[in-house]
Amino acid sequence: RKEVEQDPGPFNVPEGATVAFNCTYSNSASQSFFWYRQDCRKEPKLLMSVYSSGNEDGRFTAQLNRASQYISLLIRDSKLSDSATYLCVVTPVYSGTYKYIFGTGTRLKVLA
Amino acid sequence: GAVVSQHPSRVICKSGTSVKIECRSLDFQATTMFWYRQFPKQSLMLMATSNEGSKATYEQGVEKDKFLINHASLTLSTLTVTSAHPEDSSFYICSASDGGGAQGNQPQHFGDGTRLSIL
Repeated sequence: RKEVEQDPGPFNVPEGATVAFNCTYSNSASQSFFWYRQDCRKEPKLLMSVYSSGNEDGRFTAQLNRASQYISLLIRDSKLSDSATYLCVVTPVYSGTYKYIFGTGTRLKVLA
Repeated sequence: GAVVSQHPSRVICKSGTSVKIECRSLDFQATTMFWYRQFPKQSLMLMATSNEGSKATYEQGVEKDKFLINHASLTLSTLTVTSAHPEDSSFYICSASDGGGAQGNQPQHFGDGTRLSIL
């Protein structure tokens, strides 16, 4: 079983739609969680950190469920510019140098 | 803030050539930098953790004699792919954190990446 798993998609949604992605992780002691977005042939860019109480940044909402070991990302009012691959990142606590473990990413296509 | 610069962005060279990639933190000091590799349609895979002033820590399956890492200062780490072959063609990306403490809760910031093509 992979340490971090995501549905690869693609998720094809119309503009204005709400879309949600989940990401599951296997290490129950994982400490830090992030969502990054990666555009085609570009480097990952931080979208948001994920906090235990959940957090929101504009149209984006991130949630953490430790009991079920997953994190989620909700995008409201999707824009064409939201089309990208969304990478889930988990930092296992056993790693002394806080290594990132990436999911394979979920592709989102927002259609006009 | 937290800008990471990577150079070059694109390299095309013949098999057997050694290629050096630089990663710089422009506006912060990075005790630790990370080197990743990404093949098409796959996720980023950590290759090694680069520590300033000490030897890099390599992930399982990554040849340290093939991928030489030097972290000579708090703002510069280099990755040298020695005697590169076509199977080394990939997207190489570095990252650094401008903090982290013991809990590792500071996000990493990524360089622009280097697309390496070995003919």
